[in-house]
Amino acid sequence: SAVISQKPSRDICQRGTSLTIQCQVDSQVTMMFWYRQQPGQSLTLIATANQGSEATYESGFVIDKFPISRPNLTFSTLTVSNMSPEDSSIYLCSVGETAGYTFGSGTRLTVV
Amino acid sequence: LAKTTQPISMDSYEGQEVNITCSHNNIATNDYITWYQQFPSQGPRFIIQGYKTKVTNEVASLFIPADRKSSTLSLPRVSLSDTAVYYCLVGDFQAGTALIFGKGTTLSVSS
Repeated sequence: SAVISQKPSRDICQRGTSLTIQCQVDSQVTMMFWYRQQPGQSLTLIATANQGSEATYESGFVIDKFPISRPNLTFSTLTVSNMSPEDSSIYLCSVGETAGYTFGSGTRLTVV
Repeated sequence: LAKTTQPISMDSYEGQEVNITCSHNNIATNDYITWYQQFPSQGPRFIIQGYKTKVTNEVASLFIPADRKSSTLSLPRVSLSDTAVYYCLVGDFQAGTALIFGKGTTLSVSS
């Protein structure tokens, strides 16, 4: 199965700033997904990112707040923009393959 | 996507067999059933997937009755390291759709 490198693993950011999270996959994958996991909660899908097309966002998530790039089949970024303390969460990327879905180790974001 | 219902939490002791049942009454014909495990500060990890009857791998077994409206994840002889959150998901994963997570079951294994 694919191996995902997600960076940074954690960060503490000032409110009003932005953070870009990177996911690098060791193989070419068509589908990449971005999730948010708030403390003690389950994972919530933010958006689906396909190479060569705009990301598809789930209800409650908008491109201006969470812009996503997918420049090729092995890489994607998620930016959390104009952060507030409510954005403090773990953000995870995932790829889907016929053998199953693989997740990155997550980015723990704290907004102060 | 079919909604799943599973117990919020379960407790067990080392060496016991643990069975976690998931209800998915609205499962569609093309849907598969998959289970993921998540440890604190890690992303979810695939455990097992099946369509019907029984599937077994080196980690767990998955039992699916004929009507497919429920499934049971069986973990044989659990250890302390099996303490984690277990998610049951249902969907047409072959089509590359995103995983939609429910609340999961927090399994606590004690000595």
